[in-house]
Amino acid sequence: DAKTTQPNSMESNEEEPVHLPCNHSTISGTDYIHWYRQLPSQGPEYVIHGLTSNVNNRMASLAIAEDRKSSTLILHRATLRDAAVYYCILRDLKETSGSRLTFGEGTQLTVNP
Amino acid sequence: ETGVTQSPTHLIKTRGQQVTLRCSSQSGHNTVSWYQQALGQGPQFIFQYYREEENGRGNFPPRFSGLQFPNYSSELNVNALELDDSALYLCASSLSTGSTYEQYFGPGTRLTVT
Repeated sequence: DAKTTQPNSMESNEEEPVHLPCNHSTISGTDYIHWYRQLPSQGPEYVIHGLTSNVNNRMASLAIAEDRKSSTLILHRATLRDAAVYYCILRDLKETSGSRLTFGEGTQLTVNP
Repeated sequence: ETGVTQSPTHLIKTRGQQVTLRCSSQSGHNTVSWYQQALGQGPQFIFQYYREEENGRGNFPPRFSGLQFPNYSSELNVNALELDDSALYLCASSLSTGSTYEQYFGPGTRLTVT
């Protein structure tokens, strides 16, 4: 599986934007970039995914570099509820057990009031 | 629409015993995956079931086994429990096996092996 690299931790202030980086220099052409987050004492939850173009949804935006070797998850206005571990995950379109998610250690986001 | 549910919430077992964990998938989802999450680490993929057949497995020994039922609920069985099996066990369901499908996770079962 292609590997991702994320900072161990980041801090933000409430109501400010947060940019969470992810490096994936060995990404293949068929790898989708997925983001999940895990709030304290909960299972992970899906945030967003993309292939080549930038993506927006109600939770966040995903900015993908032109060479696809890095991406950034953008939370436009952080709230205290956004404090969580954020995982950047590559999922190969060709993977036969396509449900498989390979989690790294993620980025622990702290949001200060 | 009911989300993914898991039971029990917490469980304490003794080394060498066997345990069964249960998962009820989100309505309409035919694919379920199980993950093990040790303290302070990301979840690790155990296996996946699609339409009652195992079709993907992570690096876990055969004493980890599973079942998926016709209603798409699922069980994870662990035999001969070891201390290192202490972890949060997560179940996730999705509409299908494709890699673009979202995974919906349950809250997990916290297993402690003493």
